[in-house]
Amino acid sequence: GENVEQHPSTLSVQEGDSAVIKCTYSDSASNYFPWYKQELGKRPQLIIDIRSNVGEKKDQRIAVTLNKTAKHFSLHITETQPEDSAVYFCAARVTYDMRFGAGTRLTVKP
Amino acid sequence: GAVVSQHPSWVICKSGTSVKIECRSLDFQATTMFWYRQFPKQSLMLMATSNEGSKATYEQGVEKDKFLINHASLTLSTLTVTSAHPEDSSFYICSARDRNYNEQFFGPGTRLTVL
Repeated sequence: GENVEQHPSTLSVQEGDSAVIKCTYSDSASNYFPWYKQELGKRPQLIIDIRSNVGEKKDQRIAVTLNKTAKHFSLHITETQPEDSAVYFCAARVTYDMRFGAGTRLTVKP
Repeated sequence: GAVVSQHPSWVICKSGTSVKIECRSLDFQATTMFWYRQFPKQSLMLMATSNEGSKATYEQGVEKDKFLINHASLTLSTLTVTSAHPEDSSFYICSARDRNYNEQFFGPGTRLTVL
């Protein structure tokens, strides 16, 4: 089955700096790659997603890039703010099954 | 986006009892529902996938007799933790997917504590 690896596990940045989180996946048939933000004790919230037929997608300060050949995708957050502090999960899906990475705890220091 | 509710939001029970958790899609038909378990500071682990009207597909290592899943309708799935033990204490989150959308919508989660 699909295996998703995520790095780093923790990331601390200064407010205003950029943050990059990387994920790799194993199943070349995966075709949908969402990123979720989860605050403590709450449900994961979709922040951006990308399909396998697209290489890059941007939404304001957030962007995701996908390299199908290398089977990796990345989340980029620019101009980070303290409210960006949370745990971020990447995921990869083949048909029905969504597999999650281990998560990255992002801390944005004011 | 679509709304998924979960009930109860938290539950405390004695060891050996059974607990039922409900997951409802409020404004769409969930052809597929997923149940995840999340331990503190860890990722979401898929427990099982269920399609309306059919038996759930369990992930390796998840006991189907212990974690009973019923996807009785297009808007409701239930997870019953039978004979719960302290090691079953966790955050259980459901998610639902509409056949028309790629996105999975998550419920708010249920925190189960087994004493």
